[in-house]
Amino acid sequence: AQSVAQPEDQVNVAEGNPLTVKCTYSVSGNPYLFWYVQYPNRGLQFLLKYITGDNLVKGSYGFEAEFNKSQTSFHLKKPSALVSDSALYFCAVRAANQGGKLIFGQGTELSVKP
Amino acid sequence: GAVVSQHPSWVICKSGTSVKIECRSLDFQATTMFWYRQFPKQSLMLMATSNEGSKATYEQGVEKDKFLINHASLTLSTLTVTSAHPEDSSFYICSARDFRQGADHEQYFGPGTRLTVT
Repeated sequence: AQSVAQPEDQVNVAEGNPLTVKCTYSVSGNPYLFWYVQYPNRGLQFLLKYITGDNLVKGSYGFEAEFNKSQTSFHLKKPSALVSDSALYFCAVRAANQGGKLIFGQGTELSVKP
Repeated sequence: GAVVSQHPSWVICKSGTSVKIECRSLDFQATTMFWYRQFPKQSLMLMATSNEGSKATYEQGVEKDKFLINHASLTLSTLTVTSAHPEDSSFYICSARDFRQGADHEQYFGPGTRLTVT
């Protein structure tokens, strides 16, 4: 079965410090991996994706993620957090041979304090 | 770009009434759309896959007769919550899959609809 896990419900970071939001996955075949951000009462905004190629993927708003096949991880990172980065972050994997369905992790709430 | 809109953004209805939520792809045609439900600070739960011109495919445990999905055009899918009850109160989010060349079949999400059933 294909699944995504985000082991931390909440991550707290001081503004200016680096941040990491963790994600591990379990899929059959090559994974298509995504990160989305959600602000209160909003839909999901796409941050970045990994399909193939370079393991380090750069995305929107200064975020990046590193695909690690051996550890089946796709952690989201940012070198210097902003207060405005505070939001709910979702990791997702596109299920193979299922019409493009996305399987989401449970979400991680990021709180960046001044 | 790829923009998906939802209407209404929020709705309050009385128990027993039906509510229709629209999902539109504004600048691309979407043969496939998805409907999700989200409880506060929780993940998105896929309810169904909406396919243009054919019946929706519902996820296990989702009542087809309660959550009616219609995808009559390439840019519009609707979700109707029939005989709504307070437990149907939730945040409903749609997404549309972009099959245009170079889009990688990516999904674009609508802004969501907050449904409150009183």
